Formats: sequence, structure tokens, C-alpha cells
Amino acid sequence: EDQVTQSPEALRLQEGESSSLNCSYTVSGLRGLFWYRQDPGKGPEFLFTLYSAGEEKEKERLKATLTKKESFLHITAPKPEDSATYLCAVQGGNYGGSQGNLIFGKGTKLSVKP
Amino acid sequence: GAGVSQSPSNKVTEKGKDVELRCDPISGHTALYWYRQSLGQGLEFLIYFQGNSAPDKSGLPSDRFSAERTGGSVSTLTIQRTQQEDSAVYLCASSLYHGGEQYFGPGTRLTVT
Repeated sequence: EDQVTQSPEALRLQEGESSSLNCSYTVSGLRGLFWYRQDPGKGPEFLFTLYSAGEEKEKERLKATLTKKESFLHITAPKPEDSATYLCAVQGGNYGGSQGNLIFGKGTKLSVKP
Repeated sequence: GAGVSQSPSNKVTEKGKDVELRCDPISGHTALYWYRQSLGQGLEFLIYFQGNSAPDKSGLPSDRFSAERTGGSVSTLTIQRTQQEDSAVYLCASSLYHGGEQYFGPGTRLTVT
């Protein structure tokens, strides 16, 4: 069964303290791995899509990387406005009859203190 | 440009009543998805539409849940005879094509009393 596990569940950082969030996955035929940011009371906001092991993408202080078993979201010198829940999702190619549907992890709640 | 919109933003209903939730996807997006997000849980896939048809209804939790999409655009999710366990945030997303990046609406928070 396809599965996504995110760790840690919660992470508290001081402003400027770099760290990484982990997304481990099991999927039959990975078609894509997605990162989203979700602020309280809002819908998830798309950040990145990664398609193959070794791929990296960057946006401001965020960098996402992908291996065959996991993805990392690296946050460099975070600011308080980076506080949010970060969600990881995988898209499998052989998930029953549901090719293309996303399977989400439970997220990592990031808090950045000034 | 306009993003995905959902209405109402909040809905409080009594147990046993029917509710309808609405989603307006991004113009031109052919695929539309419904998810449910309960406290402490991840996003749970409910159903997706390609155009007006629903190839995958596998995530609907019971036959009290149904959804339709008309004109390849607006979608409604209907929950009949609501139960307290239906309380959650219902999120809609759309993508240019099935399998592409999904863009989410703000959600409808449903509370069943």
C-alpha cells in the first residue's frame, strides 16, 4: 500500500536556525512528489514538484531534494513568516485504479521564533 | 488570476440534515478533486472529476456522500443525513490535467452538532 510519513510532527526553530523536514514514502511507480505549505485556516499552497531521484528545486529559503525513498525540505535561515505546516504528497503510477491521485502525509508543523 | 473558490467558508448543521458544499475551480482546469481534512489527520482523498465524469469515487466514505460537476466547471459535494464524524474541513483542488499540480481552495469547515 502506498504510504507517506513525515517527520518530525512539529519543529521549533529560532530565526536563522537552518533545518530539514523529512518525507519518507512507499509508492508503486512514483510519478511525482509534491510539497505544499498550509497556513492555519487556509488551503494548501503549492511549493514544488519533484519527479526523479537526484532532482532539486529551490524557492527563496526553501530547497527540496528527492531520493528513491525520501524527500527533504531544507529551510535555510528561516524567518517567522516561514511558520506553517508543510505537507508532502506522492503521486503513484500504480495505485489501484487511481493513477494521478495524491497521497498526503500528516505534515510537519514548523514554528520559527524571532 | 482567480484561484479556486469554495462556499460556504463555514457551515454548522444539525445531525441528520443534508448539506451542499460548492467548489469553483480555476478556469480551464479539467481535473477537480475533493479532499477531507480532519483534526490531526492528513488530507483524505474523496473523489476526482475529469471534465464532468468521476472516474474515481473510491474515497467516498459512505453512500451518504455524493458529488457532481456540471459544465466542466463548478462542483458540489453533498452529504446526506450528516453525522458528527462528518465534521471536518472539506477542501477542493483543481489541476490543468489529471496528474498535474493541484491548486487548493480555502476549504469549507463543516461542523455537525
